[in-house]
Amino acid sequence: GESVGLHLPTLSVQEGDNSIINCAYSNSASDYFIWYKQESGKGPQFIIDIRSNMDKRQGQRVTVLLNKTVKHLSLQIAATQPGDSAVYFCAEMRETSGSRLTFGEGTQLTVNP
Amino acid sequence: DAGVIQSPRHEVTEMGQEVTLRCKPISGHNSLFWYRQTMMRGLELLIYFNNNVPIDDSGMPEDRFSAKMPNASFSTLKIQPSEPRDSAVYFCASSHPGQGAGELFFGEGSRLTVL
Repeated sequence: GESVGLHLPTLSVQEGDNSIINCAYSNSASDYFIWYKQESGKGPQFIIDIRSNMDKRQGQRVTVLLNKTVKHLSLQIAATQPGDSAVYFCAEMRETSGSRLTFGEGTQLTVNP
Repeated sequence: DAGVIQSPRHEVTEMGQEVTLRCKPISGHNSLFWYRQTMMRGLELLIYFNNNVPIDDSGMPEDRFSAKMPNASFSTLKIQPSEPRDSAVYFCASSHPGQGAGELFFGEGSRLTVL
């Protein structure tokens, strides 16, 4: 039969609004969680990481929150801009596996002017 | 400063042909990764090297796939013979232990279409 591709979760926001992108994970043994951004036709680009013993980390216009109780990770983007339109992936890593990353399925963020 | 360089950017080939994808990591980076991206399976790690030595190739789909890293500045991913289900974007990435955890630098990818 016909194959069906992944249906990426989507988030559409107005320019200037704050965006929240969510990710659920299952591996309690992960040491780090990482967010990547992928623009159309390009490779993924590192945004920010958070160690598993932290619950919040801030970067430039971005904040990552980690809730280990419910195994939930979120990326908050402040004052979203059109250039933020991309697919956002969460990933996890264990220190014992070197820099090997396991990526989630991604969320398509569209910023409307 | 040049990033990770991949070639070719696009390749269209026929089933059964050999495909070779190439990667030049960022100078000074000692880890190199090959990922495959498809709509069905997302981003999958195929293999990674540390100091030119393959560390984990458990993601390589089957014997038709092979990867080499003869020196610190060059790696290849070969598919022989290629099949239509190999159609995907193949990314190479590199990293250095002095960087942030999980911070990989990706190339722009090689889009492979096998007819």
